[in-house]
Amino acid sequence: GAGVSQSPSNKVTEKGKDVELRCDPISGHTALYWYRQSLGQGLEFLIYFQGNSAPDKSGLPSDRFSAERTGGSVSTLTIQRTQQEDSAVYLCASSLAPSGLSGRLYNEQFFGPGTRLTVL
Amino acid sequence: KNQVEQSPQSLIILEGKNCTLQCNYTVSPFSNLRWYKQDTGRGPVSLTIMTFSENTKSNGRYTATLDADTKQSSLHITASQLSDSASYICVVSAGGSYIPTFGRGTSLIVHP
Repeated sequence: GAGVSQSPSNKVTEKGKDVELRCDPISGHTALYWYRQSLGQGLEFLIYFQGNSAPDKSGLPSDRFSAERTGGSVSTLTIQRTQQEDSAVYLCASSLAPSGLSGRLYNEQFFGPGTRLTVL
Repeated sequence: KNQVEQSPQSLIILEGKNCTLQCNYTVSPFSNLRWYKQDTGRGPVSLTIMTFSENTKSNGRYTATLDADTKQSSLHITASQLSDSASYICVVSAGGSYIPTFGRGTSLIVHP
């Protein structure tokens, strides 16, 4: 089937505007992750969903960031009042089960192509 | 604190040559280690995965090794091709944790 898809692929916005990023995970994957990748940096964990609930939001950098997931499928990451430091690639990943669970192979995360956000 | 360190940060090699990328980790308790390849503008794609009992895993021209005692892993690329130019990311998962720890990656450039 189709892999993880994200939209838009690129987003340019002005400082202070709100943006919404969308992620469509692989069908049947219960776990969904959002990451941020800044230039030359490793992936920074933002939030994890199991089904529609988010057991771990510890990576969200500020209260301007929020995310939701509906129907155990599509997720949206919303950034309010964007700042220039929010410029990065936002990656979404999904897995059949939460990564690290008993070390089983089904914990592989499959990544989408990312959304490149530029805040002017 | 769980950490994954990769070296070198960047590497330039000629097409056809071999290279080895390194990954050191302090993740506990160890569950598994993956190497991902990330092409420019794309999401990471898994190359290999190794659990505690495995010390080598191959995927075509890619061979990963794991030394769980020294907490080190390497990714060896044989007979490099231009398409190998990418960032290679080492990712370690801890048992009981659903958030893996990512290294910053090694940027590999293969020149003709």
